[in-house]
Parts: sequence; structure tokens; C-alpha cells
Amino acid sequence: EDKVVQSPLSLVVHEGDTVTLNCSYEVTNFRSLLWYKQEKKAPTFLFMLTSSGIEKKSGRLSSILDKKELFSILNITATQTGDSAIYLCAMNSGGYQKVTFGTGTKLQVIP
Amino acid sequence: DTAVSQTPKYLVTQMGNDKSIKCEQNLGHDTMYWYKQDSKKFLKIMFSYNNKELIINETVPNRFSPKSPDKAHLNLHINSLELGDSAVYFCASSLGIDTSYEQYFGPGTRLTVT
Repeated sequence: EDKVVQSPLSLVVHEGDTVTLNCSYEVTNFRSLLWYKQEKKAPTFLFMLTSSGIEKKSGRLSSILDKKELFSILNITATQTGDSAIYLCAMNSGGYQKVTFGTGTKLQVIP
Repeated sequence: DTAVSQTPKYLVTQMGNDKSIKCEQNLGHDTMYWYKQDSKKFLKIMFSYNNKELIINETVPNRFSPKSPDKAHLNLHINSLELGDSAVYFCASSLGIDTSYEQYFGPGTRLTVT
């Protein structure tokens, strides 16, 4: 069975810190790895990664995938209180859009 | 101009009742999904439809029945509600069934069964 494990489960940092969130996975037919940010309501899409070693970047957020070691990291630099959220890692496997989510990392950024 | 909308946002009902949650997307997407997020925030896929056709049906009790009248709508009907059905239900959509498309989520429906 496909599996996605995120660590840490929760994290408290001060504004301005840099954080690294981890995601490891087990899958039989990997297609893509996704990161979502969930604040109070709907998860919102951040990144989709399909190739190893290619960093995707959006502002202060960046992510990279290692398909050999089966993990991904999400980096957030110069954190702000607005970054407080649950960050979900998910994996798409098989021929169809069958997405398996991890349990998420709850990030709290304090002033 | 909401992309994926769900109604109602909150639903409180008693055990044994039957209820429906509606989902609509105005993105022109072909594929729609239902997810359940439990109290531990674990998001798990329940169903997916592509062009009104059922594609994914995970291990979900028969009491849950999705219906897609057209590709812009995917409703979820739940019979004989149980306490364990209490969760947040998210609808999502994607351009198509190909795994290169990201999914867009609705705001969720918080279902509480008493």
C-alpha cells in the first residue's frame, strides 16, 4: 500500500527562521509528489515535483525531490506569521489521479 | 467567482439520518473528487469521477453514494449517518485524470453527527 510519512508532526519557530519540512514515501508506481498548504479551510496547491534534483521555487518557499531516496523537502526561508498552517505532502501514483496524503506538518510561526 | 464550492459549509445531524453535500466547480475541469479529513487532519480520498464516470472508489461504506449529474457537479449522499462519519468533507477538481494536473479544493463541509 502506498504510504506518505511527514516529519516533524508539528513545529514552532520564530519569525525570520528558516524551516525544513520532510516527506518520505513508499509507492509502487510513482507519478508525482505534491505539496499543499492548509490554513483554516481548503488545502491550496504549492508544488508538484516529478523529477529528482530539480528545485521548484515560489518566493520564500522551495521544494526538491529525491526519487532514489524516496523523499522530498519543503523549505521556507524568513518565515512570517502568515506561514502558519498545516503543510501536506501527497503522492500521485498509478495511471489515474489517486492521491495519497501524509498526516501533515503543523507549522506555527510566532512573532 | 469561487472555483470549487460546496454546500452546506456546516451540517449537524443525528445518527440514522440521511444527508447530502453538494459540490460545484466552475473551472471547466473534467475530474472531481471527494475526500474525508478526520479529526487528526488526515485527508483520504473517497471517490473520483471523470466526465461523470466513476474512476476511483476507495474502501468506503455503501452508505456513501456519489452522484455526478454533469461534469461540473459531484454530490455526496450519505445514508444512515453514524458518529464515525463526523469529519470535514472536501470536494476537489482537476483539469483531467492525468497525474500531471494539480487538484483544486473546495472550502470543505464540516459534518457533525450527534
